Amino acid sequence: ETGVTQTPRHLVMGMTNKKSLKCEQHLGHNAMYWYKQSAKKPLELMFVYSLEERVENNSVPSRFSPECPNSSHLFLHLHTLQPEDSALYLCASSQGAGGQPQHFGDGTRLSIL
Amino acid sequence: QKEVEQNSGPLSVPEGAIASLNCTYSDRGSQSFFWYRQYSGKSPELIMFIYSNGDKEDGRFTAQLNKASQYVSLLIRDSQPSDSATYLCAVNIGGGSYNTDKLIFGTGTRLQVFP
Repeated sequence: ETGVTQTPRHLVMGMTNKKSLKCEQHLGHNAMYWYKQSAKKPLELMFVYSLEERVENNSVPSRFSPECPNSSHLFLHLHTLQPEDSALYLCASSQGAGGQPQHFGDGTRLSIL
Repeated sequence: QKEVEQNSGPLSVPEGAIASLNCTYSDRGSQSFFWYRQYSGKSPELIMFIYSNGDKEDGRFTAQLNKASQYVSLLIRDSQPSDSATYLCAVNIGGGSYNTDKLIFGTGTRLQVFP
């Protein structure tokens, strides 16, 4: 596999469920990101990990919890989500976190019932 | 003022024409600029990026920077129907720090190329 892989591609969950999104990059990058993309809004940066250390937490509610066990893997743990959290969640990676070109995965389309 | 602004469009151009997409940004310290293409239902795909030292041409695509006026443009020559997509502009914010700079995205411009 090449590039950035996200699973699952689609997820439907109730507000009381707990689920996790997974991202894996095969590009040898050392920075990884979570973004949220809602209709008619710009991409919203949620979290940044550089060298497995979180360097950005963009005022994201605590119901979203990221985890970066190594430079190739990134998770987003979800619990007690709200309907307004329904969106496309995109993972990206780059070589260095300082405004370098980012490469995106295909995203997870999340729907909260 | 939004940090990165784009006209949402749609921008409609005939096949074979030049499509011109523009993006303005607010941070004078920005040094890197990116254009992504996003087809409906797909993720953003990086198509070009430039740094503050100059313009760049790659095939049918040219990215140009006007630092004085704080805008960056993407020109697509010989537009094809397959170019129809939303084009996202992204600009680094932070002044050049390796670890704390981040990309800020515009809302995108929808381009329609008709036969």
